[in-house]
Amino acid sequence: GAVVSQHPSWVICKSGTSVKIECRSLDFQATTMFWYRQFPKQSLMLMATSNEGSKATYEQGVEKDKFLINHASLTLSTLTVTSAHPEDSSFYICSAFPPGPPTEAFFGQGTRLTVV
Amino acid sequence: AQRVTQPEKLLSVFKGAPVELKCNYSYSGSPELFWYVQYSRQRLQLLLRHISRESIKGFTADLNKGETSFHLKKPFAQEEDSAMYYCALSNNAGNMLTFGGGTRLMVKP
Repeated sequence: GAVVSQHPSWVICKSGTSVKIECRSLDFQATTMFWYRQFPKQSLMLMATSNEGSKATYEQGVEKDKFLINHASLTLSTLTVTSAHPEDSSFYICSAFPPGPPTEAFFGQGTRLTVV
Repeated sequence: AQRVTQPEKLLSVFKGAPVELKCNYSYSGSPELFWYVQYSRQRLQLLLRHISRESIKGFTADLNKGETSFHLKKPFAQEEDSAMYYCALSNNAGNMLTFGGGTRLMVKP
């Protein structure tokens, strides 16, 4: 099946610094990618939809300036957590749909961010 | 607006017991529904989709449009079924998923 890869798998950073997370579709092109946040033992929360060549669409309550999304190519979307704080510590997951039926979303392995 | 509801956050059963994970949805169009599973320390992956009408790992799910439900069932739970299960609904374009809140299934020995 299709592969979506995230990098890094885990990262620890100091409060106030920025962290960039990459999401790549390895064997297909994705005009749209999705970024989720998952708290321990809780559901996925859609943060934003990343659109290649245009601005991302953010869900209500998600700070655009805090979570910067760039979808520079058809195989790469990045999420930058700016001025990170401990409450930003979470598991971030991206997903994408390979083109054509059947519909199936493929997920990255996730990135665990710990802000100390 | 589309919405997916999984009423149970946690479902605990003994090995060999039947299991049913509930999922209800609201959608104005013709829905396409899925079950995704996330095993411990693994990425989310597709378990089954209603269109295929297949059984995966012993799990089945029937779309009931009258009750707007898509419950996931397995007659005899196994310990390796312990995982987080998410019901999801696709939009008409087939390029976006709305997830339910998830149900953690724990199968005890």
